[in-house]
Amino acid sequence: ELKVEQNPLFLSMQEGKNYTIYCNYSTTSDRLYWYRQDPGKSLESLFVLLSNGAVKQEGRLMASLDTKARLSTLHITAAVHDLSATYFCAVINTGTASKLTFGTGTRLQVTL
Amino acid sequence: GAVVSQHPSRVICKSGTSVKIECRSLDFQATTMFWYRQFPKQSLMLMATSNEGSKATYEQGVEKDKFLINHASLTLSTLTVTSAHPEDSSFYICSAGRRAVGNQPQHFGDGTRLSIL
Repeated sequence: ELKVEQNPLFLSMQEGKNYTIYCNYSTTSDRLYWYRQDPGKSLESLFVLLSNGAVKQEGRLMASLDTKARLSTLHITAAVHDLSATYFCAVINTGTASKLTFGTGTRLQVTL
Repeated sequence: GAVVSQHPSRVICKSGTSVKIECRSLDFQATTMFWYRQFPKQSLMLMATSNEGSKATYEQGVEKDKFLINHASLTLSTLTVTSAHPEDSSFYICSAGRRAVGNQPQHFGDGTRLSIL
């Protein structure tokens, strides 16, 4: 059974600081996604990572994938308050027709 | 703009009522759609995979007689919560992926917040 874990579960950080969220998964997968969820809202797609060593950046967020270590990271650079949200990684179960397994989520709070 | 439309966004109803939630892919065909449930401060849990023209595939522990799924066309899947009880109160989210582009992220509907009194 595929398990996806994130840490930390909760992160409070000051504006301007850098931090990394980690996503570990338990079995082989060739696709990993990062999503953002604001309170009371649905999911917004951030990144799709398809291969070992993949790195994608959008604004202050950068995601990377190491398939050998079964690890993805979401790095936040110079955080701003608008980044406050819950971030989920999700992994495709190989051979299960796009079935996603979500990580536990990381609630990020950026304080002024 | 939104590529997956989910309706209604919020439902409040009495215990014992059946509630239908619709999920539509707006500009693409979706042979497969997914239904998730999310309790407060928790992650999304897959309930079932909705397959166009055939029976849905339910995850372990999800009662198929309680959560009826119908995927009658390539753009519409419905989830009916039958005889809902307070413990069914949750945030329900559907998703769909573009059939022709397998590596793209799934697009999520805006979710339905179901509250059973």
